[in-house]
Amino acid sequence: SQKIEQNSEALNIQEGKTATLTCNYTNYSPAYLQWYRQDPGRGPVFLLLIRENEKEKRKERLKVTFDTTLKQSLFHITASQPADSATYLCALENYGGSQGNLIFGKGTKLSVKP
Amino acid sequence: NAGVTQTPKFQVLKTGQSMTLQCAQDMNHEYMSWYRQDPGMGLRLIHYSVGAGITDQGEVPNGYNVSRSTTEDFPLRLLSAAPSQTSVYFCASSSRTGHYEQYFGPGTRLTVT
Repeated sequence: SQKIEQNSEALNIQEGKTATLTCNYTNYSPAYLQWYRQDPGRGPVFLLLIRENEKEKRKERLKVTFDTTLKQSLFHITASQPADSATYLCALENYGGSQGNLIFGKGTKLSVKP
Repeated sequence: NAGVTQTPKFQVLKTGQSMTLQCAQDMNHEYMSWYRQDPGMGLRLIHYSVGAGITDQGEVPNGYNVSRSTTEDFPLRLLSAAPSQTSVYFCASSSRTGHYEQYFGPGTRLTVT
């Protein structure tokens, strides 16, 4: 079965630096990959989707890359701010399941220090 | 739009009790799902529905029941609560005409003693 891994449970960086989070997957090739943000005590919030034929997607200070050869997505937050502190989840469509059926990584908790 | 709403926010049950977690969305989304989130385990899919009258099992369906009689509502029933069902439960919805980005509710924190 497919597996999805986010390589860090936690990432601490200084304000103003670029945060880079990694999502790796195995055993199949998804048509798209999504990134979500989750704040404590709240539900995840959708941030970005990138398709298999897109190398890179940007939204304001966020950038996502998708390398289907390496089976990896990188999520970058440039000029990070303390307000960016949250847990970030990547998600893939669940191969063989109904469309819209996602599997999620366990998340990376980002802390941005002033 | 209220988006996805869930009730209750918190619930404590005794082992063996049953209850229903409510979920509603006002975005006319066809797809709805229930996840549980446990420390170190991430989000795991319990049940999902691709439209009214259609439900299917996810990764961890045992001990849970769902129904989808309307597009708006997707309740999750715990048949006989067990301590292993202590978790945070999230309902989500998405449009099948989009790219399936999911909109999550605020969650229900359930403790089974």
